[in-house]
Amino acid sequence: DVKVTQSSRYLVKRTGEKVFLECVQDMDHENMFWYRQDPGLGLRLIYFSYDVKMKEKGDIPEGYSVSREKKERFSLILESASTNQTSMYLCASRGQRNTEAFFGQGTRLTVV
Amino acid sequence: LAKTTQPISMDSYEGQEVNITCSHNNIATNDYITWYQQFPSQGPRFIIQGYKTKVTNEVASLFIPADRKSSTLSLPRVSLSDTAVYYCLVGDRVWAGGYNKLIFGAGTRLAVHP
Repeated sequence: DVKVTQSSRYLVKRTGEKVFLECVQDMDHENMFWYRQDPGLGLRLIYFSYDVKMKEKGDIPEGYSVSREKKERFSLILESASTNQTSMYLCASRGQRNTEAFFGQGTRLTVV
Repeated sequence: LAKTTQPISMDSYEGQEVNITCSHNNIATNDYITWYQQFPSQGPRFIIQGYKTKVTNEVASLFIPADRKSSTLSLPRVSLSDTAVYYCLVGDRVWAGGYNKLIFGAGTRLAVHP
């Protein structure tokens, strides 16, 4: 069964902390994505990666960075967490162009 | 960048057919149209994908007219469990590698009532 696993379901961090959100997929997909979802705003793309060590900015990359050292793992990094980064974070992966994407269950991050 | 426009919300009753239309005027020649469903506190889930004419699976049908500037997701005989947000996506082609981003709009919030 296809799986995208996010390391935490719920996370509480303090302002200024460095935060790592991890995502692992077991489908050998080339493409991986990080989104955040806030009420009324739908899913907004933060970063995506189309290959190991390759990344592209999405619509809202400010305050975030990513790392993809291995094909199956895509990490989202909040260098210095702020309260406006409190959100639901969703990871997705997809194979070749125009196939379906698979999402993780999400990580609800609260920055206090 | 191909954008989509959908109604913000829709209401229906159990047993009815629901049609959600999505506009995508700037769709590119090789773009596909994909619909996802999202329940609260879960990640979106793929429903159906098509390029032109009609596609049907066990969950839904997708109607795409010849000009491909819009598409309609049809859910037959909805139940309470179909209450969710439905997203229409159009493939956003980026050269160099053949990959494309997944850009979601705000989606359509469907509420099914008893």
